[in-house]
Amino acid sequence: GNSVTQMEGPVTLSEEAFLTINCTYTATGYPSLFWYVQYPGEGLQLLLKATKADDKGSNKGFEATYRKETTSFHLEKGSVQVSDSAVYFCALRAGKAAGNKLTFGGGTRVLVKP
Amino acid sequence: GAGVSQSPSNKVTEKGKDVELRCDPISGHTALYWYRQSLGQGLEFLIYFQGNSAPDKSGLPSDRFSAERTGGSVSTLTIQRTQQEDSAVYLCASSLETTGFMNIQYFGAGTRLSVL
Repeated sequence: GNSVTQMEGPVTLSEEAFLTINCTYTATGYPSLFWYVQYPGEGLQLLLKATKADDKGSNKGFEATYRKETTSFHLEKGSVQVSDSAVYFCALRAGKAAGNKLTFGGGTRVLVKP
Repeated sequence: GAGVSQSPSNKVTEKGKDVELRCDPISGHTALYWYRQSLGQGLEFLIYFQGNSAPDKSGLPSDRFSAERTGGSVSTLTIQRTQQEDSAVYLCASSLETTGFMNIQYFGAGTRLSVL
């Protein structure tokens, strides 16, 4: 079946540090890949997405590149802020045959300290 | 409405009672999804609606769980004879399309269910 594996947290960083959260996936066919973010006390928000190999999704200074050869979609940000403290979820959608549902990784909590 | 609306935001119930959770999707969104977020299991898919029909119910954990959608809009997730392991945050999402690149799922804030 489809699955997503992401690095466990928590990840604790200082402001302006470089952030990487690793995400790898297993899926049949050609899934679409997503990063969602959950800020404290809030619901899930789409952060970025990529729908085919070599696509780069980007938003709010975050980037992730769809790497089919390594089945990865690692999230990066060059200089984090305290406001980036949240839980980040990597997810895939395998398409109509799989019912269009999202399969999520376990989430990575990120804490950015001033 | 502007976003996906879920009610109640919090629900505390006693073991064995039935509960109903409501989701009001973004206007015009044809697809609606229910997920569950719990400490032990992470984020799990429960059921998916296209219009009023549910092509994928594969994530419902037992026959105590059911869901319906009427008028292609509001959906209700019902849990009968609640158990403590049902305690979780129940999330609803909706999307404009069910296929293609525009299938982006937008989530509500969730209903936190606590079964005592």
